[in-house]
Amino acid sequence: AQRVTQPEKLLSVFKGAPVELKCNYSYSGSPELFWYVQYSRQRLQLLLRHISRESIKGFTADLNKGETSFHLKKPFAQEEDSAMYYCALSGGSNYKLTFGKGTLLTVNP
Amino acid sequence: GAGVSQSPSNKVTEKGKDVELRCDPISGHTALYWYRQRLGQGLEFLIYFQGNSAPDKSGLPSDRFSAERTGESVSTLTIQRTQQEDSAVYLCASSLWAGPSNEQFFGPGTRLTVL
Repeated sequence: AQRVTQPEKLLSVFKGAPVELKCNYSYSGSPELFWYVQYSRQRLQLLLRHISRESIKGFTADLNKGETSFHLKKPFAQEEDSAMYYCALSGGSNYKLTFGKGTLLTVNP
Repeated sequence: GAGVSQSPSNKVTEKGKDVELRCDPISGHTALYWYRQRLGQGLEFLIYFQGNSAPDKSGLPSDRFSAERTGESVSTLTIQRTQQEDSAVYLCASSLWAGPSNEQFFGPGTRLTVL
């Protein structure tokens, strides 16, 4: 069974501070991990995927298979980063996404 | 180009009534997914369509839920005899095809409220 856990419902940091949004997963095969973001009044959109190994808007995420984690990090948070962040896992023949419950990030001025 | 669209954006209905939700995927996208998000929960997979293959209905919570898709175009999700626990945001997503690392593009969702 596929499972994604985001332990923090809410995360609040000050502008310029580092931020880390935690994500742990459970999957028997070789998973693909994603971070999706939903800004206020906007639709859910892809932020980054582990296979790309890229940095988007200053965010990075490393897949740690030993710890089954895919934490999202940014060294210096900006106010415009305030949003709902969802970690998601894709696996199986239909490539459906299994989502965590999300973390609401608030970056204070 | 146009993204995934869904209608209606909001639907309020009475318990026991049937509702139909519509999704227009991005043109050329062969894979289409429906998800449900109940308050305070993550998104739950409901059903998946890929081209003309038989749909994967493994996420449908009960036989009151059904969905159709005509070819590679519009999809409708129907909920019969709605219950209060059906209240949620229903999201549709499409991708070029169902494959590794293929980005799913999401619609704005339909917020369903069952009174």
